[in-house]
Amino acid sequence: EPEVTQTPSHQVTQMGQEVILRCVPISNHLYFYWYRQILGQKVEFLVSFYNNEISEKSEIFDDQFSVERPDGSNFTLKIRSTKLEDSAMYFCASSQDRAALYGYTFGSGTRLTVV
Amino acid sequence: AQSVSQHNHHVILSEAASLELGCNYSYGGTVNLFWYVQYPGQHLQLLLKYFSGDPLVKGIKGFEAEFIKSKFSFNLRKPSVQWSDTAEYFCAVNAGAGQGAQKLVFGQGTRLTINP
Repeated sequence: EPEVTQTPSHQVTQMGQEVILRCVPISNHLYFYWYRQILGQKVEFLVSFYNNEISEKSEIFDDQFSVERPDGSNFTLKIRSTKLEDSAMYFCASSQDRAALYGYTFGSGTRLTVV
Repeated sequence: AQSVSQHNHHVILSEAASLELGCNYSYGGTVNLFWYVQYPGQHLQLLLKYFSGDPLVKGIKGFEAEFIKSKFSFNLRKPSVQWSDTAEYFCAVNAGAGQGAQKLVFGQGTRLTINP
């Protein structure tokens, strides 16, 4: 079964550093998403992406965040200057169509720890 | 804005017990509803989804859910749970206008522990 691949699985970074989280969505999917889950809290939407532009972003997705699909296969989330409160599990997801008739496929996540 | 509420934060059952996890959503228009499961250390997996038609939907691993529009509910059920059902369960809804991607809005999740 096709998978969404995320790398790295775990990243530790110092506060103020930039991090890039990488995702390879399923090849025939057109819609891409980033979510995060702070330990013990619910999964929160960050941003959605379609046709090489952001469709929607949440209040969490401020100027320190950016997304890119640089080469037609990778989908990256960049956090420019990390804060302690950015520590969370970050999930990438993709869907074949905008309403996700076949569901959203999630990656295994990247655990980001900011120290 | 859409929101999803899951009433049970942690449910503990014995094997073979019946399961019902509550989910209510808040949205005035047409919604699509999902249940996802997250086994320990694994990614979110789709259990089942509802878009239209028969409000009783069957998913994988013997799970089913019933959409009751008048109650804005989409409860998850399983007649007889197994130890391997121990996991976190998330109810989610998507909706939205426009041409772009439709985001998923998640409930808080319910941790299910099955004792052998």
